[in-house]
Amino acid sequence: GNSVTQMEGPVTLSEEAFLTINCTYTATGYPSLFWYVQYPGEGLQLLLKATKADDKGSNKGFEATYRKETTSFHLEKGSVQVSDSAVYFCALSDGSTGNQFYFGTGTSLTVIP
Amino acid sequence: DTAVSQTPKYLVTQMGNDKSIKCEQNLGHDTMYWYKQDSKKFLKIMFSYNNKELIINETVPNRFSPKSPDKAHLNLHINSLELGDSAVYFCASSTRGGSYEQYFGPGTRLTVT
Repeated sequence: GNSVTQMEGPVTLSEEAFLTINCTYTATGYPSLFWYVQYPGEGLQLLLKATKADDKGSNKGFEATYRKETTSFHLEKGSVQVSDSAVYFCALSDGSTGNQFYFGTGTSLTVIP
Repeated sequence: DTAVSQTPKYLVTQMGNDKSIKCEQNLGHDTMYWYKQDSKKFLKIMFSYNNKELIINETVPNRFSPKSPDKAHLNLHINSLELGDSAVYFCASSTRGGSYEQYFGPGTRLTVT
């Protein structure tokens, strides 16, 4: 079956620190992979995605590379800001009927000045 | 323009009551979803509709009943509310199949007292 395992939080970093949030997946077939971000009191927003192996998704300074050999999609940012404080969700979609998503448990990030 | 909207944003009610949450999307998508997010931010898929047809129906109490009057709307009706129903409920939409991302509404925070 499909599943996503995500690094547990919470994560606390100082401003300008390097961020990595680990995500590994199990899937049948060839899934698409996503990172969503949820700011306090809001819904989830798509941060980036990758649809095939070796694709790199990037947005707002965040990056993640689809690694089929390690079944991973780790999120990275070189220099975090206070405004990046949020909960980050890794997800996969296998494109099956209903386009069902499988979400990780979420990682809470707090960036302190 | 709001892509996916939900009403109400907050809902406080007593045990045993019946309540509804409404969702509308103006993205022209043909698939809509309901998720439940608990206090630990864990997201659980509840239902998915494609063109008014139920296609994902996860294990949820039958007190929860989705209704889709047209493909732009997916409402959630909850009967006989219980304390454990307290959560944030998110509506989402996407196009069917492929690797299309889901777009989320702002959420409805339901508190059952």
